[in-house]
Amino acid sequence: DQQVKQNSPSLSVQEGRISILNCDYTNSMFDYFLWYKKYPAEGPTFLISISSIKDKNEDGRFTVFLNKSAKHLSLHIVPSQPVDSAVYLCAASLNDYKLSFGAGTTVTVRA
Amino acid sequence: DAGVIQSPRHEVTEMGQEVTLRCKPISGHDYLFWYRQTMMRGLELLIYFNNNVPIDDSGMPEDRFSAKMPNASFSTLKIQPSEPRDSAVYFCASSSQTETQYFGPGTRLLVL
Repeated sequence: DQQVKQNSPSLSVQEGRISILNCDYTNSMFDYFLWYKKYPAEGPTFLISISSIKDKNEDGRFTVFLNKSAKHLSLHIVPSQPVDSAVYLCAASLNDYKLSFGAGTTVTVRA
Repeated sequence: DAGVIQSPRHEVTEMGQEVTLRCKPISGHDYLFWYRQTMMRGLELLIYFNNNVPIDDSGMPEDRFSAKMPNASFSTLKIQPSEPRDSAVYFCASSSQTETQYFGPGTRLLVL
């Protein structure tokens, strides 16, 4: 049972433009959300996170938005750069340090 | 500071053989996680430890899989006997009292 869903398997964006990645979850008890970035043949790398008590968290070019009523979060990358081309994984936690991951979205930034 | 270290990076074995994957967590981290990634199921948690004690092994697929953590700096995931459907990338991750987990580079396992 997939509790975290990333319904867009891929996204292509031009360099300099905004990338918006979406993630939906089914368990309203999730209280912490994370985004990871993954390059081929490497492990996932932590990118940014947000607690359920907040609706926005920003770190440089990356901003995560949380809409608890819709059980939806998104990751904005502005401006997109070629180095951002990777797989992005959405994850959620029930305050027990276990993470449930989405299937991932492959981002391609075109020069 | 070195990140999570996994060995081997690649493993090719024949069906029925024993496979042992190794992980060294980040020093000072007291949580260790084993994941498996496949095309069909994505990244799924197999088992995790806190202070070397297994806390939740509900993700371990079968009795053929076992994991140990004899000390704070070493863990193993063993598959005996291995089967072709065990072919996947296995990741180890560690954390320190937070939800943010730090992943190793993974072991790519192919069972023929």
